[in-house]
Amino acid sequence: QVQLQESGPGLVEPSGTLSLTCAVSGGSISTYYWTWIRQPPGKGLEWIGCISHNGNTNYNPSLRSRVTISVDTSKNEFSLRLRSVTAADTAVYYCARDRSTGAAGTLWFDPWGQGTLVTVSS
Amino acid sequence: QSVLTQPPSASGTPGQRVIISCSGSSSNIGNNYVYWYQQLPGTAPKLLIYRNNQRPSGVPDRFSGSKSGTSASLAISGLRSEDEADYYCAAWDGRLSGSGVFGGGTKLTVL
Repeated sequence: QVQLQESGPGLVEPSGTLSLTCAVSGGSISTYYWTWIRQPPGKGLEWIGCISHNGNTNYNPSLRSRVTISVDTSKNEFSLRLRSVTAADTAVYYCARDRSTGAAGTLWFDPWGQGTLVTVSS
Repeated sequence: QSVLTQPPSASGTPGQRVIISCSGSSSNIGNNYVYWYQQLPGTAPKLLIYRNNQRPSGVPDRFSGSKSGTSASLAISGLRSEDEADYYCAAWDGRLSGSGVFGGGTKLTVL
Protein backbone atom coordinates (compact mmCIF):
# COMPACT_ATOMS: atom_id res chain seq x y z
CA GLN A 1 0.00 0.00 0.00
CA VAL A 2 1.49 3.28 -1.13
CA GLN A 3 2.06 5.88 1.58
CA LEU A 4 3.25 9.47 1.30
CA GLN A 5 4.99 11.59 3.92
CA GLU A 6 5.76 15.29 3.67
CA SER A 7 8.80 16.79 5.40
CA GLY A 8 10.43 20.19 5.62
CA PRO A 9 10.67 23.35 7.71
CA GLY A 10 7.50 24.48 9.41
CA LEU A 11 8.56 28.12 9.42
CA VAL A 12 9.88 30.17 6.51
CA GLU A 13 10.80 33.84 6.53
CA PRO A 14 9.06 36.27 4.18
CA SER A 15 10.83 36.57 0.80
CA GLY A 16 12.51 33.22 1.45
CA THR A 17 12.05 29.86 -0.26
CA LEU A 18 9.70 27.14 0.95
CA SER A 19 11.13 23.68 0.36
CA LEU A 20 9.27 20.44 1.02
CA THR A 21 9.90 16.81 0.17
CA CYS A 22 7.40 13.98 -0.18
CA ALA A 23 8.72 10.49 0.46
CA VAL A 24 6.87 7.68 -1.30
CA SER A 25 6.87 4.25 0.34
CA GLY A 26 5.19 0.97 -0.50
CA GLY A 27 5.41 1.55 -4.23
CA SER A 28 7.50 3.02 -7.03
CA ILE A 29 7.44 6.66 -8.04
CA SER A 30 8.10 5.55 -11.60
CA THR A 31 4.42 5.46 -12.48
CA TYR A 32 1.62 8.02 -12.35
CA TYR A 33 1.91 11.71 -11.56
CA TRP A 34 2.87 13.25 -8.22
CA THR A 35 1.18 16.39 -6.97
CA TRP A 36 1.38 19.19 -4.44
CA ILE A 37 -1.79 20.77 -3.05
CA ARG A 38 -2.15 23.37 -0.33
CA GLN A 39 -4.86 24.64 2.00
CA PRO A 40 -4.59 27.99 3.80
CA PRO A 41 -6.01 27.95 7.33
CA GLY A 42 -9.80 27.87 7.20
CA LYS A 43 -9.87 27.95 3.40
CA GLY A 44 -10.26 25.57 0.47
CA LEU A 45 -7.86 23.40 -1.50
CA GLU A 46 -5.50 24.84 -4.11
CA TRP A 47 -3.71 22.70 -6.71
CA ILE A 48 -0.05 23.76 -6.94
CA GLY A 49 1.33 21.48 -9.61
CA CYS A 50 2.32 17.97 -10.58
CA ILE A 51 5.22 16.02 -12.05
CA SER A 52 5.51 12.70 -13.84
CA HIS A 53 8.21 10.17 -13.09
CA ASN A 54 10.13 11.33 -16.14
CA GLY A 55 9.96 14.99 -15.18
CA ASN A 56 7.00 16.39 -17.13
CA THR A 57 5.47 19.19 -15.08
CA ASN A 58 2.27 21.23 -14.96
CA TYR A 59 1.88 24.23 -12.65
CA ASN A 60 -0.93 26.42 -11.38
CA PRO A 61 -0.77 29.52 -13.63
CA SER A 62 -1.04 31.79 -10.59
CA LEU A 63 2.08 30.22 -9.02
CA ARG A 64 4.08 29.22 -12.10
CA SER A 65 6.63 32.02 -11.83
CA ARG A 66 7.59 30.95 -8.28
CA VAL A 67 7.22 27.16 -8.25
CA THR A 68 9.49 24.27 -9.12
CA ILE A 69 8.53 20.62 -8.62
CA SER A 70 11.20 17.99 -9.08
CA VAL A 71 11.44 14.22 -8.76
CA ASP A 72 14.25 11.95 -7.57
CA THR A 73 13.48 8.41 -8.67
CA SER A 74 16.60 7.03 -6.96
CA LYS A 75 15.23 8.19 -3.59
CA ASN A 76 11.56 7.56 -4.49
CA GLU A 77 10.65 11.10 -3.55
CA PHE A 78 9.56 14.38 -5.10
CA SER A 79 9.97 17.94 -3.95
CA LEU A 80 8.42 21.40 -3.98
CA ARG A 81 10.21 24.73 -4.02
CA LEU A 82 8.21 27.95 -3.74
CA ARG A 83 10.23 31.15 -3.97
CA SER A 84 9.61 34.67 -2.69
CA VAL A 85 7.02 33.57 -0.14
CA THR A 86 4.69 35.90 1.71
CA ALA A 87 2.17 35.41 4.50
CA ALA A 88 -0.37 34.41 1.83
CA ASP A 89 1.65 31.22 1.29
CA THR A 90 0.97 30.06 4.85
CA ALA A 91 -0.92 26.79 4.48
CA VAL A 92 -1.05 23.07 5.08
CA TYR A 93 0.84 21.53 2.18
CA TYR A 94 -0.22 18.07 0.99
CA CYS A 95 1.47 15.73 -1.43
CA ALA A 96 -0.62 13.20 -3.29
CA ARG A 97 -0.41 10.60 -6.03
CA ASP A 98 -2.36 11.49 -9.15
CA ARG A 99 -3.38 8.25 -10.80
CA SER A 100 -2.94 9.59 -14.29
CA THR A 101 -1.11 7.45 -16.80
CA GLY A 102 -1.55 9.92 -19.65
CA ALA A 103 0.15 13.07 -20.77
CA ALA A 104 -1.06 15.19 -17.87
CA GLY A 105 -2.67 15.00 -14.46
CA THR A 106 -6.28 14.12 -13.82
CA LEU A 107 -7.03 15.23 -10.24
CA TRP A 108 -7.53 11.54 -9.23
CA PHE A 109 -5.66 11.82 -5.94
CA ASP A 110 -5.14 8.65 -3.98
CA PRO A 111 -3.43 8.42 -1.56
CA TRP A 112 -2.65 11.71 0.16
CA GLY A 113 0.03 12.54 2.66
CA GLN A 114 -1.08 13.71 6.08
CA GLY A 115 -0.09 17.29 5.31
CA THR A 116 2.42 19.66 6.87
CA LEU A 117 1.76 23.19 8.09
CA VAL A 118 4.15 25.80 6.76
CA THR A 119 3.97 29.26 8.29
CA VAL A 120 5.55 32.27 6.63
CA SER A 121 6.61 34.71 9.31
CA SER A 122 9.65 36.54 10.59
CA GLN B 1 -12.59 32.90 -6.58
CA SER B 2 -12.50 29.20 -7.48
CA VAL B 3 -12.70 28.02 -11.09
CA LEU B 4 -15.32 25.44 -10.09
CA THR B 5 -18.36 26.80 -8.25
CA GLN B 6 -19.88 25.01 -5.27
CA PRO B 7 -22.40 26.23 -2.70
CA PRO B 8 -20.50 27.17 0.48
CA SER B 9 -22.86 25.21 2.69
CA ALA B 10 -25.47 22.47 2.69
CA SER B 11 -27.42 20.75 5.41
CA GLY B 12 -29.80 17.91 6.08
CA THR B 13 -31.22 15.75 8.81
CA PRO B 14 -30.25 12.12 9.42
CA GLY B 15 -31.71 9.84 6.76
CA GLN B 16 -32.26 12.63 4.23
CA ARG B 17 -30.75 12.91 0.77
CA VAL B 18 -28.50 15.88 0.05
CA ILE B 19 -27.09 17.01 -3.28
CA ILE B 20 -24.01 19.19 -3.68
CA SER B 21 -23.50 20.88 -7.04
CA CYS B 22 -20.31 21.80 -8.87
CA SER B 23 -20.40 24.12 -11.86
CA GLY B 24 -17.58 24.62 -14.33
CA SER B 25 -16.98 25.20 -18.01
CA SER B 26 -16.09 23.40 -21.21
CA SER B 27 -12.37 23.65 -20.42
CA ASN B 28 -12.71 21.63 -17.22
CA ILE B 29 -15.86 19.67 -16.33
CA GLY B 30 -17.17 19.77 -19.88
CA ASN B 31 -14.23 17.82 -21.27
CA ASN B 32 -12.65 16.05 -18.32
CA TYR B 33 -13.55 13.72 -15.49
CA VAL B 34 -14.82 15.08 -12.17
CA TYR B 35 -13.54 13.93 -8.81
CA TRP B 36 -15.01 14.42 -5.34
CA TYR B 37 -13.19 14.58 -2.01
CA GLN B 38 -14.40 14.45 1.57
CA GLN B 39 -12.40 16.25 4.24
CA LEU B 40 -13.20 15.55 7.86
CA PRO B 41 -12.04 18.17 10.37
CA GLY B 42 -8.30 18.13 10.92
CA THR B 43 -7.60 15.42 8.37
CA ALA B 44 -6.35 15.13 4.81
CA PRO B 45 -8.97 14.93 2.07
CA LYS B 46 -10.14 11.47 1.03
CA LEU B 47 -11.17 10.34 -2.45
CA LEU B 48 -14.91 9.83 -2.56
CA ILE B 49 -15.78 9.65 -6.29
CA TYR B 50 -13.49 9.25 -9.30
CA ARG B 51 -14.18 9.53 -13.02
CA ASN B 52 -17.53 11.27 -12.49
CA ASN B 53 -19.41 8.42 -10.84
CA GLN B 54 -17.06 5.66 -9.67
CA ARG B 55 -16.66 4.79 -6.00
CA PRO B 56 -13.35 3.53 -4.61
CA SER B 57 -13.58 0.38 -2.57
CA GLY B 58 -14.65 1.17 0.96
CA VAL B 59 -16.82 4.16 0.06
CA PRO B 60 -20.46 3.41 0.91
CA ASP B 61 -22.97 3.31 -1.94
CA ARG B 62 -24.83 6.11 -0.16
CA PHE B 63 -22.42 8.37 -2.06
CA SER B 64 -22.96 8.82 -5.78
CA GLY B 65 -21.67 11.19 -8.43
CA SER B 66 -23.03 12.38 -11.75
CA LYS B 67 -22.06 14.78 -14.50
CA SER B 68 -24.01 16.57 -17.20
CA GLY B 69 -22.42 19.04 -19.58
CA THR B 70 -20.37 21.51 -17.56
CA SER B 71 -21.89 20.62 -14.18
CA ALA B 72 -21.51 17.78 -11.75
CA SER B 73 -23.17 16.77 -8.52
CA LEU B 74 -22.54 14.63 -5.48
CA ALA B 75 -25.52 12.96 -3.85
CA ILE B 76 -25.47 11.60 -0.32
CA SER B 77 -28.45 9.49 0.65
CA GLY B 78 -29.34 8.17 4.08
CA LEU B 79 -27.45 11.05 5.66
CA ARG B 80 -25.48 10.16 8.80
CA SER B 81 -23.83 12.32 11.43
CA GLU B 82 -20.39 11.13 10.33
CA ASP B 83 -21.00 12.62 6.89
CA GLU B 84 -20.57 16.09 8.39
CA ALA B 85 -17.48 17.34 6.55
CA ASP B 86 -16.21 19.58 3.76
CA TYR B 87 -16.70 18.31 0.22
CA TYR B 88 -14.66 19.40 -2.79
CA CYS B 89 -15.08 18.79 -6.50
CA ALA B 90 -12.04 18.78 -8.78
CA ALA B 91 -11.23 18.51 -12.46
CA TRP B 92 -8.41 19.04 -14.93
CA ASP B 93 -8.59 22.32 -16.85
CA GLY B 94 -7.24 22.25 -20.35
CA ARG B 95 -6.66 25.98 -20.77
CA LEU B 96 -3.12 27.16 -21.45
CA SER B 97 -0.82 24.22 -20.73
CA GLY B 98 -3.29 22.56 -18.39
CA SER B 99 -3.75 22.69 -14.63
CA GLY B 100 -5.84 21.24 -11.87
CA VAL B 101 -8.78 23.13 -10.40
CA PHE B 102 -10.87 22.63 -7.28
CA GLY B 103 -14.24 23.92 -6.23
CA GLY B 104 -14.33 26.23 -3.23
CA GLY B 105 -15.73 23.47 -1.05
CA THR B 106 -19.12 22.83 0.55
CA LYS B 107 -19.48 22.45 4.29
CA LEU B 108 -22.13 19.84 5.00
CA THR B 109 -23.91 20.07 8.34
CA VAL B 110 -26.01 17.21 9.65
CA LEU B 111 -28.72 18.78 11.77
